[in-house]
Order: sequence, then C-alpha cells, then structure tokens
Amino acid sequence: TQLLEQSPQFLSIQEGENLTVYCNSSSVFSSLQWYRQEPGEGPVLLVTVVTGGEVKKLKRLTFQFGDARKDSSLHITAAQPGDTGLYLCAGAGGRGSTLGRLYFGRGTQLTVWP
Amino acid sequence: DSGVTQTPKHLITATGQRVTLRCSPRSGDLSVYWYQQSLDQGLQFLIQYYNGEERAKGNILERFSAQQFPDLHSELNLSSLELGDSALYFCASAEGGSSNEKLFFGSGTQLSVL
Repeated sequence: TQLLEQSPQFLSIQEGENLTVYCNSSSVFSSLQWYRQEPGEGPVLLVTVVTGGEVKKLKRLTFQFGDARKDSSLHITAAQPGDTGLYLCAGAGGRGSTLGRLYFGRGTQLTVWP
Repeated sequence: DSGVTQTPKHLITATGQRVTLRCSPRSGDLSVYWYQQSLDQGLQFLIQYYNGEERAKGNILERFSAQQFPDLHSELNLSSLELGDSALYFCASAEGGSSNEKLFFGSGTQLSVL
C-alpha cells in the first residue's frame, strides 16, 4: 500500500493545455515536497509546502497544500514540451510521527507534445 | 548538476552476487539517504545516515546494508542478489537530518541482475 497516491499515473497533452495532478493520503504530513524527474536523472526539488492551505507559485506551476495537510495538487498553466517529466510528491512526517523520513508517491508521468 | 556523485552509473551482475554502490554527498551535507526506484514500487526509502550514524531505516532488506564513512561518503552493499533487485538506486544528500529538508539526488546507479 502506497502512503501517497498520485493521479493520474500518466498524462499526455498538447502544448498550451492546462493540467492538474493530485497527491492524496490518509496521513497528515508536516510538509510536502514536489519533485520533477527526467530520464536518466535523479529527482529535482520544485517546491516545499508547509502550512495547510498554502499556495505557492513557480512561474506557470501552482502548488497547493490541502487544509488538513493530507493532500496536495500541482497545476500547470499553458504546458510546454519542457514540462515533460515524472512529477513526484513526497511527504514528511512531523515530530512524534512514525513516518520519520520523506516518503514518495509513484509519480505522474507527464508528456507534453508540441 | 546536484553535486551528489554516484558510481557506477550502470552495473550488470548475476544472481547470487554482491555489489557495492558508492555515493559522495554535496560538500557540507551531513545526511545521506538511499532510495530504490522500480517501475512497480516507485521510489522507496531504504536508509538514512547522518554524520556517520544510522538515522532511519525504511524498506531495506536484510541482504542489503549501508554505511557512512568519516569523510561522509556512503556505500550501499547488496548481497545474494535476486532478479527482483534490479532497479535504479539513488543516493540523496541533505545538510541536516530533518525530514523536511530539501534533498539533492544523484543521477543514480542502474542495477541489472541477470
């Protein structure tokens, strides 16, 4: 059983379209991170969200942390081929949590066609 | 370039064998994490070391072991290899030991067990 469920697993869209990917869990996290991974490389951190309800923007990417700190979403506006990659969410437990370390979802593979 | 160096990049071996994967963290980072990435399981946390001491354990098999040396580089030893151990193995480093920290990933070692 995955601690973090990401959906959709695969997403294939045309350049210029908008999209949203989701990261859900039944566990509460002290923070949640989003990474992007390209073939042959390790994941690269995009953003960390810490406060319930927090919204962070990174150019055309908008990240939101759920009010209860159990879920998150990533919205991309006007997707470009350069956005292609595997998007991973990762949750961190807080003090006293049995989670301890950073745990990853399986990711959403995004392909943006020109 | 994340500053984290992993060697070798590719490793092909046979069942029953033993291999050692090496990781040099970013300069100044005290924590080293090991992750295993496979198509069916996603990115799974194996183990974390902080300043030479084991800090947290995840889904690491008894056939696997790791250590962090005084110069802070780390090695992951995989023994009695099975076909199912074929995967990408990532090392990540972080400045401290907090689960909320930004992780810097290496490019991974692709292990193929034949």
